[in-house]
Amino acid sequence: DAGVIQSPRHEVTEMGQEVTLRCKPISGHNSLFWYRQTMMRGLELLIYFNNNVPIDDSGMPEDRFSAKMPNASFSTLKIQPSEPRDSAVYFCASSLSQGSNQPQHFGDGTRLSIL
Amino acid sequence: QKEVEQNSGPLSVPEGAIASLNCTYSDRGSQSFFWYRQYSGKSPELIMFIYSNGDKEDGRFTAQLNKASQYVSLLIRDSQPSDSATYLCAPGVNTGFQKLVFGTGTRLLVSP
Repeated sequence: DAGVIQSPRHEVTEMGQEVTLRCKPISGHNSLFWYRQTMMRGLELLIYFNNNVPIDDSGMPEDRFSAKMPNASFSTLKIQPSEPRDSAVYFCASSLSQGSNQPQHFGDGTRLSIL
Repeated sequence: QKEVEQNSGPLSVPEGAIASLNCTYSDRGSQSFFWYRQYSGKSPELIMFIYSNGDKEDGRFTAQLNKASQYVSLLIRDSQPSDSATYLCAPGVNTGFQKLVFGTGTRLLVSP
């Protein structure tokens, strides 16, 4: 079975540019999570969706960050304009939402570098 | 107080020894607890989950949970150099929908 698929794997761009990260969750999973990981702050939850609806975006750092999930098989995380402090690894994860014992499965991540 | 606390390590153990990784959490409402392993440059990978007090064993891994003490641990028996990684503790927080709150992880080094 295909796991969570993220693209691109690496992104290097100059500050001020728009960055779009993409995620395809595991088929049948109805919860999707976006995380950011840095050495200083560890793994931080940015936003999560259930049945394509944003449930909690309290982790989104600023208005420069936005996320959408137009359908059950696709989500995007956009940063506009990007800044050097946004450099991090961004992970997408998905899970089933029924019950409280559902693990999250992670994609390979996007390593983002803002110059 | 952080929601999830783990010793950052590194925890160094010789090959064949038992590695003990500990985690405390603050939310008494947490019902399920997950352990993830993350190799350098890779994504977190689920190892085990536990939701009942006591021990749960899976191969060389044993998860232990004490809800009264808000403490969860992971034991790795017969540690191998390939176990060298960062181990993330993640209690589930149910706010209508479950989300995980990750600790910063403990780095484990197993020396041959």
